[in-house]
Amino acid sequence: EAQVTQNPRYLITVTGKKLTVTCSQNMNHEYMSWYRQDPGLGLRQIYYSMNVEVTDKGDVPEGYKVSRKEKRNFPLILESPSPNQTSLYFCASSQNTPGSGANVLTFGAGSRLTVL
Amino acid sequence: GDSVTQMEGPVTLSEEAFLTINCTYTATGYPSLFWYVQYPGEGLQLLLKATKADDKGSNKGFEATYRKETTSFHLEKGSVQVSDSAVYFCALTDPYSSASKIIFGSGTRLSIRP
Repeated sequence: EAQVTQNPRYLITVTGKKLTVTCSQNMNHEYMSWYRQDPGLGLRQIYYSMNVEVTDKGDVPEGYKVSRKEKRNFPLILESPSPNQTSLYFCASSQNTPGSGANVLTFGAGSRLTVL
Repeated sequence: GDSVTQMEGPVTLSEEAFLTINCTYTATGYPSLFWYVQYPGEGLQLLLKATKADDKGSNKGFEATYRKETTSFHLEKGSVQVSDSAVYFCALTDPYSSASKIIFGSGTRLSIRP
């Protein structure tokens, strides 16, 4: 089954304790992206990647890091989490960049993170 | 820059009612337009899309028509069901100004009463 898998789905942590949210897709997609979803703000893009070793900042990159060493994986790293990073996070992928040919994004199920 | 504005929710309707969720956009180029739906506890999934003016996207009884003259892409359904309760996101991609991203509206929560 074609899918984007995120782990963990739920996590409660404390301020300053490094964590990684993993994202993996099995569709050989080139484009991958991370979003956070907050009430009243919709989805905001954190980082995206157009291919292996190619990453770039989205609209809200502060406090996050990403890497793209393999095509299928795109982990989101919070080096020193803070309470304002409490949110619902989504990873998504598409065959090409969204703007080319109206590519459709496939989303993971989400990871709910709470930072105390 | 490009943006998407959709009606604020929550929207609460009775089963079999007619649904409209308004969406308007601003874009510098010729965008493609989308509606995504997020069911409780799940990620977003594509509901329908339209890639050029006057195109109509449709799926699961939902429809939306790409209106360039009014820069709108309103979502409609003639008779809603309880299972349609979800959050709906209007979105656009614009290869001329934002090829690397999709721009989402803030989402509209829809609740259907039995």
